[in-house]
Amino acid sequence: EVQLVESGGGLGQPGGSLRLSCAASGFTFSSYEMTWVRQAPGKGLEWISYISTSTTTVYYADSVKGRFTISRDNAKNSLFLQMTSLRVEDTAVYYCARVDNSYYFAMEVWGQGTTVTVSS
Amino acid sequence: IQLTQSPSSLSASAGDRVTITCRASQGIGSSLAWYQQKPGKAPNLLMFGASILQSGVPSRFSGSGSGTDFTLTISSLQPEDFATYYCQQLNSYPRTFGPGTRVEIK
Repeated sequence: EVQLVESGGGLGQPGGSLRLSCAASGFTFSSYEMTWVRQAPGKGLEWISYISTSTTTVYYADSVKGRFTISRDNAKNSLFLQMTSLRVEDTAVYYCARVDNSYYFAMEVWGQGTTVTVSS
Repeated sequence: IQLTQSPSSLSASAGDRVTITCRASQGIGSSLAWYQQKPGKAPNLLMFGASILQSGVPSRFSGSGSGTDFTLTISSLQPEDFATYYCQQLNSYPRTFGPGTRVEIK
């Protein structure tokens, strides 16, 4: 079964750090580009980051640029999001998603999400 | 690239035909996807390439458009279709989403 499972969410302090993980299974992780998408409570979806298969190319939304770092470990079938300088507005459910080139780069496989709450 | 959706919400009855519009701030060809999201769940891909139905998605869903104007149509609304629908542009980074359209039961 193709699956993505996020972990690492929880309570973070403003100005603090958290590291999210996404464990992939059921497919050849190293062959797929990956993304992170978040959703603040009661709000819409926000694309926040992308990483290529070989990690040579990464992109970020302006809202997280310079504070968040996306990375991956293909040997461990894992995707990561290092979050620093946390802000209250980073409070959201964070989803990892697989980019499918066969679907014109849409995201067909999503994790269940992990909740990040930033509060003092 | 900014995306707008209209309406932001709508109330409809089962069996109704529903049309949701997504407009891009600049031309994106056919690089548009549509997702359905139900409360507490991850989004589900419905359509990509503006009009290509994802495998397993009922044929009552259809998409059209290119350039800057796109539509998602549900030909006969079913109880399981009450959800929020998002468009996403796949033409350039950042891969922006539209603000969503909530489809509610009338």
